[in-house]
Amino acid sequence: QKEVEQNSGPLSVPEGAIASLNCTYSDRGSQSFFWYRQYSGKSPELIMSIYSNGDKEDGRFTAQLNKASQYVSLLIRDSQPSDSATYLCAVNEKDSNYQLIWGAGTKLIIKP
Amino acid sequence: GAVVSQHPSRVICKSGTSVKIECRSLDFQATTMFWYRQFPKQSLMLMATSNEGSKATYEQGVEKDKFLINHASLTLSTLTVTSAHPEDSSFYICSAYTSFNQPQHFGDGTRLSIL
Repeated sequence: QKEVEQNSGPLSVPEGAIASLNCTYSDRGSQSFFWYRQYSGKSPELIMSIYSNGDKEDGRFTAQLNKASQYVSLLIRDSQPSDSATYLCAVNEKDSNYQLIWGAGTKLIIKP
Repeated sequence: GAVVSQHPSRVICKSGTSVKIECRSLDFQATTMFWYRQFPKQSLMLMATSNEGSKATYEQGVEKDKFLINHASLTLSTLTVTSAHPEDSSFYICSAYTSFNQPQHFGDGTRLSIL
């Protein structure tokens, strides 16, 4: 059973601080990794895609991938109250028509 | 780019009614689309993979005769909830990717309430 695991939280971070969200996956053959943000009652919104080891930065967001450790993370710098949401980690499942294997999500709360 | 449009956004109807939800890729062709369901405070659950021109692939436990999927063109997939009952009330979301190995892009979802 291929799995993606995340700490469900909630993770509480003061406004302006760095929020660090972590995710591990079980399938060593996975090639594509995604972070989505989901506000309550809304559909998921893509935040970051990462495909190779190392860091990828986009504005206040940095995704980090370590395939050897089967670990992917998302850092949010200068956290804002509007960043409060559930963050979903997803890994591409090549052998099943590129379905996404989803983590359960981490609820992030940014405290003003 | 990569916009997915889903309609309607909300449906309220009586038990026994059939409800059709449309999912369109507006600026790309989608040979594969996905249908998810999400109950309050729960994770996304993949219901089925919709393949253009062929039958959908349903996940275990999803009744294919109740949730009819039609992917008749490269930009449109429909999900019909047949003879809906209150337990079918949920948030239904579709998604599509532009090509293999790319992220899925989601529609805004349809909130279905069966009275």
